[in-house]
Amino acid sequence: DTAVSQTPKYLVTQMGNDKSIKCEQNLGHDTMYWYKQDSKKFLKIMFSYNNKELIINETVPNRFSPKSPDKAHLNLHINSLELGDSAVYFCASSQAGGHEQYFGPGTRLTVT
Amino acid sequence: QKEVEQDPGPLSVPEGAIVSLNCTYSNSAFQYFMWYRQYSRKGPELLMYTYSSGNKEDGRFTAQVDKSSKYISLFIRDSQPSDSATYLCAMRGSARQLTFGSGTQLTVLP
Repeated sequence: DTAVSQTPKYLVTQMGNDKSIKCEQNLGHDTMYWYKQDSKKFLKIMFSYNNKELIINETVPNRFSPKSPDKAHLNLHINSLELGDSAVYFCASSQAGGHEQYFGPGTRLTVT
Repeated sequence: QKEVEQDPGPLSVPEGAIVSLNCTYSNSAFQYFMWYRQYSRKGPELLMYTYSSGNKEDGRFTAQVDKSSKYISLFIRDSQPSDSATYLCAMRGSARQLTFGSGTQLTVLP
């Protein structure tokens, strides 16, 4: 019974393409996040989303756009993919004000 | 300078050793301090959480926070091969977003 799930697990695509990664949580949390983990394991917040309030990390290019159809889902859409977008993307969720974030298994994106 | 600096490792120890993992930070607004463990090709999972300064113990794991020095530590006693993973410190202030260290890769040799 997976708490935070992501699809796909692996994504290989060419530069210039548009792709989406989906995330779902069944924990009843009201805050969801997207993180990017680079090849050196550095984990950096991209977005957090709580009750339709979106907080964007200012360093994230506007080619990245989160979309939340409801509290349990937060998808990540990426336009015009670049080589530097290759990384592992993690979705996470938490209760509002909670310190414990539950992470999904990650989506390994490779841009060729 | 990064907000959170973590000893990069990698760290390799024999089974049964005491392991010390450390992070320093520069943002005095940080109040909540966490350690996450990440196994290879998995998502991070919360190991320990501490609010403000002090110690917290959970089994073989002890987390310490010294806010005056802006320094946090995680100690693992009687380390086991199953402890082999990357350990990430994380912290936050009043905002929900976490700031992570770059992680220390630990290998415990049987």
